[in-house]
Amino acid sequence: QSALTQPASVSGSPGQSISISCTGASSDVGGYNHVSWYQQYPGKAPKFMIYDVNKRPSGVSDRFSGSKSGNTASLTISGLQAEDEADYYCSSYTTSSTWVFGGGTKLTVL
Amino acid sequence: EEQLVESGGGLVQPGGSLRLSCAASGFTLSTYWMHWVRQAPGKGLVWVSRIKGDGSGITYADSVKGRFTISRDNAKNTLYLQMNSLTAEDTAVYYCARVPAGYFGYMDVWGKGTTVTVSS
Repeated sequence: QSALTQPASVSGSPGQSISISCTGASSDVGGYNHVSWYQQYPGKAPKFMIYDVNKRPSGVSDRFSGSKSGNTASLTISGLQAEDEADYYCSSYTTSSTWVFGGGTKLTVL
Repeated sequence: EEQLVESGGGLVQPGGSLRLSCAASGFTLSTYWMHWVRQAPGKGLVWVSRIKGDGSGITYADSVKGRFTISRDNAKNTLYLQMNSLTAEDTAVYYCARVPAGYFGYMDVWGKGTTVTVSS
C-alpha cells in the first residue's frame, strides 16, 4: 500500500495554469476510474474537488479539472487565484479493496 | 446541514488503547459507506479503514490491520474506531468521512478531526 506519487510542490502566478500529477500502478490509478482529488488548507479538513477522474461536483469552480492516462492522473487548475494556494491530494481505489492517497502537493501562488 | 463530528482523541501511552467516535447529523448514517483517514503532524493523508452501511465490507490499511477495529451503531448514527496496541506512529489527526449515496470512490463529507497523541 505505497502512497501514490505526487510532486512535493508546484507554483504558478495568478492567471496561469498548473497541473499536479499523481502516479500509481495498474493495481490502483491505472485499474480504476475511482480517482479523486482533495484540497486542504492548513489546519482544516480536506474538501473534495474532483471524483471519478474528471467529474466536478456542484459548487467547485470549473477552473478545476481532472484527467488520467495509464497509471497517472492529473489535476489541472486554470486561471490560478490566490485562494487556490493549498495542499492537494489524489486518492484511488485499489485491487485490495482499500484506498490509497498521494503524498500531497503544496501549491504556491506566486 | 450534513455534518460529522469526531471525538475521543487524546494522549495515550504506547501500547494503550483508545476508541474514537464519529457522530453524524443531518443525514442517516446507515445509508452510507464510511471511512477513517488519518494525518500525522506535517504529513499527508493516509487511508485507515472503511465500512459499508450495514456493517459489512470492512477493510483496513496494512499498518493498522489486527490492531484497529472499525464499527458502527446506526441506531446511534455513530461510527467508531477502536485502536489497540498504539505506537508513536499512530499519532495523527483522525478524520471520519462519508461516501455519497450511490457512489463509491470518493468522500464528500469530512469531519474536522480528532487528535490522537501516543507518547510516554
